[in-house]
This record gives sequence, structure tokens and C-alpha cells, in this order.
Amino acid sequence: GAVVSQHPSWVICKSGTSVKIECRSLDFQATTMFWYRQFPKQSLMLMATSNEGSKATYEQGVEKDKFLINHASLTLSTLTVTSAHPEDSSFYICSALASGGMMDEQYFGPGTRLTVT
Amino acid sequence: QKEVEQDPGPLSVPEGAIVSLNCTYSNSAFQYFMWYRQYSRKGPELLMYTYSSGNKEDGRFTAQVDKSSKYISLFIRDSQPSDSATYLCAMGYQAGTALIFGKGTTLSVSS
Repeated sequence: GAVVSQHPSWVICKSGTSVKIECRSLDFQATTMFWYRQFPKQSLMLMATSNEGSKATYEQGVEKDKFLINHASLTLSTLTVTSAHPEDSSFYICSALASGGMMDEQYFGPGTRLTVT
Repeated sequence: QKEVEQDPGPLSVPEGAIVSLNCTYSNSAFQYFMWYRQYSRKGPELLMYTYSSGNKEDGRFTAQVDKSSKYISLFIRDSQPSDSATYLCAMGYQAGTALIFGKGTTLSVSS
């Protein structure tokens, strides 16, 4: 099956610093990638939709200047958490939609656990 | 009212039991219905996918969608300890769009 990787799998950073998370589709091309955030015992909440070569679309309440998304190629999207604060500590998960795929061809990465101290 | 409601449990059953997991939703525009399994600190893994109403079976898993009642179910037969995980229902409006997830139900199967 298709594989999506995320790097790093976990990261600890100090408050005020920036962290970049990579999401890669390893064996397929993805024109669309989604970024979700999951707090403990909570659902996955969509943060933004990332389309290759264009600006990301952010969900209501998600600060686009704080969560910078770049989808520079058909296999890579990055999420940069700028000026991180402890409340940004969460589990960040990306998913990649296989080009031309139906709903079930959305593959999830293993997630990145961010802890801001 | 949230778009997708799911009882978080936890749900504890003995090995071999039949497990029933459920979600309700409020938006009749949903067309795609999925069930994902998520182990602790891992990404979700797709278990079942159904378009519109009806039943779908895959091994020990059966997914049911009742659009008239806005209710979906996942049944697990002959449950195994390896089935212990969090099960998330997810729904979508159309192909290629993001999914709306339930909170997830934590299942524990004891041997």
C-alpha cells in the first residue's frame, strides 16, 4: 500500500522557537495533502488543506501566519510552527491524497508529536 | 451539536466477543463514511470505507451506514486482543476533500 512518512516523529522545542514538520508521500504523487492536529483523547481536527503549487487553505481559527504550510512538490508538504508556545503542543498528522483518487485513497502519516516547553 | 458524535468509551470486552461501535452525524450532505483504527501515538489506518448507504464486509469487520437515521456502525466479530485500539469514524462530503472525524472510541479486548 501507499506510504506517507513524517519527520520528525517527535520533537521538543523551547517556547518562541520555530519547528518544521515534513510530510512525504513515498511511492505516489499527491496534489493535495491535509494537515490535522489531535489533542489527547480528542478527534483529529483539520488545520489546513495544502495543494501543490498554490497557497494552503486554512480552517477557521487556524492562524496562517503561525502555521506556515508549503507544498513545494507532488511528494512533499511542510508545516512550520512559528514562535511555538506550550499550547501548540499536540500530535500533528498529515494525510496525502493520491492524485485522481477517491475518498479511500487518502493515506495518513504516522504523526509528529510536538512538545513546547 | 457537533457534526460527528462518537462515544469515546472506553469499551472493554473479552476475547471472542462481538463489538459494536457507532457514530451519529448531523449533516446529510456526507457521502463517504470511513472507519479508521489508531494505535497509541500512531497515525490512523483505514479499516473500512463505504459510499452512501449500505453494508460492507471485510473479514471480521462489517460497516453499516443508515443515511436515513444519520447513523453508522462498525461491527467486529471474534474480537482479538490485537484489536485493542482507538477506532475513529470519519466522513466526507466529496472525493478529494478533507475528512471530519469523530472523537474515537477506545476498545480494549482482554484475553
